[in-house]
This record gives sequence, C-alpha cells and structure tokens, in this order.
Amino acid sequence: SQKIEQNSEALNIQEGKTATLTCNYTNYSPAYLQWYRQDPGRGPVFLLLIRENEKEKRKERLKVTFDTTLKQSLFHITASQPADSATYLCALGLYNQGGKLIFGQGTELSVKP
Amino acid sequence: DSGVTQTPKHLITATGQRVTLRCSPRSGDLSVYWYQQSLDQGLQFLIHYYNGEERAKGNILERFSAQQFPDLHSELNLSSLELGDSALYFCASSVGTLNEKLFFGSGTQLSVL
Repeated sequence: SQKIEQNSEALNIQEGKTATLTCNYTNYSPAYLQWYRQDPGRGPVFLLLIRENEKEKRKERLKVTFDTTLKQSLFHITASQPADSATYLCALGLYNQGGKLIFGQGTELSVKP
Repeated sequence: DSGVTQTPKHLITATGQRVTLRCSPRSGDLSVYWYQQSLDQGLQFLIHYYNGEERAKGNILERFSAQQFPDLHSELNLSSLELGDSALYFCASSVGTLNEKLFFGSGTQLSVL
C-alpha cells in the first residue's frame, strides 16, 4: 500500500543544535517533494521544494535532501532556535496529478532554550 | 499573512445540517485547493480547481461538493453532516497547476454536534 511516514514522536532538541526530520515513502514515484511548517491553529506555510532530479536544496538555515533510491527526504534546521518550534510536514507531488499534494502526518519539533 | 482568506473561522452545527465554507485565493492565483485536517487522518486532499474547472479529486465524500466562481473565489459545501466531519478545513491557492508551492488560509474549524 502507499504510505508516507514522518517521525511519529516529537523531536526535542537544545537551542543551537541541528534538528533532522525524516520523511519516508513507499509505493509512490514523486515528481517533487515539499516541506511545510505548521503552527497550532494555523495553516501550513511553504518552506522548500525539491525535485526528483535534485539531491539537495538549501535556504538560509534550512537544508533538504531527497534520495529517490532510499525513498527518503531529510529536513535539517541548523543553529535551531525556540522560534523554530512547530510541526513540520512533508508532502509529495505526483506526476499527472497537477498540484495535488500527499501530506505526511507531520513531526512536532520543540527547541528548548 | 498568506493572502488567502477563509470564512468563517469557526462553525458549529448539528448533524444532518448543511454548511458552506468560503475561500478567496491570493490575488493572481488561479488554482484553489481544499484540504481536510483531522487528528487521526492528517491533512487530506479533497479537490482542486483551476480557473473555474475541476482539475483533481481526492477522497471527497459525495455529500461534499465545491465550485470555483468566475471571480476565482471558491466554496466548499458540506451536507448531511455527520460527527466525523468535524475537522479543520483548509483552502490553499497557487498560481498554476504544476510543481507549485501552496499558500494556505487559516482554515475553518467545523464542529458537528
């Protein structure tokens, strides 16, 4: 069956450390993958998009990798800050599905000062 | 502020009733998407409209329907409501239809009692 899985447990890290979040998928052939941030009671906010032919993308303190062989994406936040505390969602974009995204359940990140 | 406006923010209704959720996309965006978010199911794609035409459908119930009007705003109609329809309903918009980052509204929290 088709699945997209993120770390189910909350991730607690110390300020200044690097947070690494995982997104694994099975039985999908995504054209691209996106990461979103969601705060409680708010809509998701787009962070990064990486295409199937790209290995890595960076934006400021954020880095995402995409390994289509392992069927996995890793999302890194370096020099993390308490303001980075939120739920992070990965989403797959499929061929011939237009803009439709398949979302993971999300990983809750808590950065302690 | 994403530029996507959803009304109302909260809606409380009874089983068997019908409600309409409204969404105004960002200026210039032609695509509108509807997503449902619940604790157990996560963020689930319902339907996508592009410039007034339906482009993709997810696991949207037959009791649910949507449309996009000539001014590009969209409405999601939910009828014969059941307790299980209680969820956060998000609208998102994007410029086109492919490999697009989505801009989400703040959502409508629907409670069916």
